[in-house]
Amino acid sequence: EIVMTQSPATLSVSPGERATLSCRASQSVSSNLAWYQQKPGQAPRLLIYGASTRATGIPARFSGSGSGTDFTLTISSLQSEDFAVYYCQQYNNWPSWTFGQGTKVEIK
Amino acid sequence: QVQLQESGPGLVKPSQTLSLTCTVSGGSISSGSYYWSWIRQPAGKGLEWIGRIYTSGSTNYNPSLKSRVTISVDTSKNQFSLKLSSVTAADTAVYYCASALYYYDSSGVYYYNGMDVWGQGTTVTVSS
Repeated sequence: EIVMTQSPATLSVSPGERATLSCRASQSVSSNLAWYQQKPGQAPRLLIYGASTRATGIPARFSGSGSGTDFTLTISSLQSEDFAVYYCQQYNNWPSWTFGQGTKVEIK
Repeated sequence: QVQLQESGPGLVKPSQTLSLTCTVSGGSISSGSYYWSWIRQPAGKGLEWIGRIYTSGSTNYNPSLKSRVTISVDTSKNQFSLKLSSVTAADTAVYYCASALYYYDSSGVYYYNGMDVWGQGTTVTVSS
């Protein structure tokens, strides 16, 4: 099983600042990686797939990069609605998908 | 736009079988090429993928749960279902259903665009 490790566990950022979240895979997942955002009491929302492609309706301030084992989600200028938990998920290891443990982005 | 809604008992006794249904609205469960998945999340913890069923009816399961999980589809009701047997307190969680489109282009290249539609989730507690 591919293990996905996210860092940091918690990221404290001021509104308007840039946030950089990391996700590392225990073995290569190529570009088969997605990012999800989850707010309290809500279902996760797809942000990014294919490591760097924004899902429909996702603002341009969200961007994804990386391939192989190291990936980054960048939020260029944090808005109040962006404070949430973010999960990466690999879908390269057929047939099993795995999620990272999540990074909580909180207000500094 | 497809919408998903989970339903089922909120309380299950230990050793019994958890059964949940996800109803698909706004589209047909048997049209197109979709993965219909179940994911769960214990309170205060992360997401765990349970398994999926294809439009074709094929299934894949998380190896750690495979011996206890069955996912099936009922096209006549536009629903897919989850059964998890021999439950324990560790199976207490919010259970989500989700869908993802996949396809092959004319060159046979595979595309998958992530789980873009999720149900709101349903809480299942395992307790006597």
